[in-house]
Amino acid sequence: GQQVMQIPQYQHVQEGEDFTTYCNSSTTLSNIQWYKQRPGGHPVFLIQLVKSGEVKKQKRLTFQFGEAKKNSSLHITATQTTDVGTYFCAGPMNNNAGNMLTFGGGTRLMVKP
Amino acid sequence: KAGVTQTPRYLIKTRGQQVTLSCSPISGHRSVSWYQQTPGQGLQFLFEYFSETQRNKGNFPGRFSGRQFSNSRSEMNVSTLELGDSALYLCASSGAKGGSYNSPLHFGNGTRLTVT
Repeated sequence: GQQVMQIPQYQHVQEGEDFTTYCNSSTTLSNIQWYKQRPGGHPVFLIQLVKSGEVKKQKRLTFQFGEAKKNSSLHITATQTTDVGTYFCAGPMNNNAGNMLTFGGGTRLMVKP
Repeated sequence: KAGVTQTPRYLIKTRGQQVTLSCSPISGHRSVSWYQQTPGQGLQFLFEYFSETQRNKGNFPGRFSGRQFSNSRSEMNVSTLELGDSALYLCASSGAKGGSYNSPLHFGNGTRLTVT
């Protein structure tokens, strides 16, 4: 079936180091969304990318959507302890019953102070 | 605006019982989606409701059902609970008029269900 895959599954970094998570889809996506879930919390929407090759920045976070609209990445510059959490990408996929937002497995970021 | 509200926050049930979870979306949002989150399977789509109609359903057995009321509040029901149903159940609302898959989802805090 159609899938969204994320790597790595886990990442430990020292505070101040950079971090990147990658998202790959088995199909071309009309858009990709990124969410962050803090430990014990719920997913919170970060951003949506729609255009091929699109790059968006939110302070220390940089989001990219691939040219083929099948992959995306989230890069955090100079991580802080407040960045701790699991980052999910999600894209619309069809399961024969209709379209639904399908989430990747997530990348859990741990930051050592 | 108040966020998405889910009740109860925690629930402990035994195998074979049934459970009903409730979700109140953000005011004005007519689309409500339900997801199951487990450590092993991640976030799995259960179903989406829009204006009281089920718009899509994920790959879950018929024991999982839902409904939406005219005020957009939604409930999901799981009958004949199994140990594997232990999970965090998340409800999300969207202001999209079309499919919620093209618009940001606003999640509630979830209901943590433990089946013993």
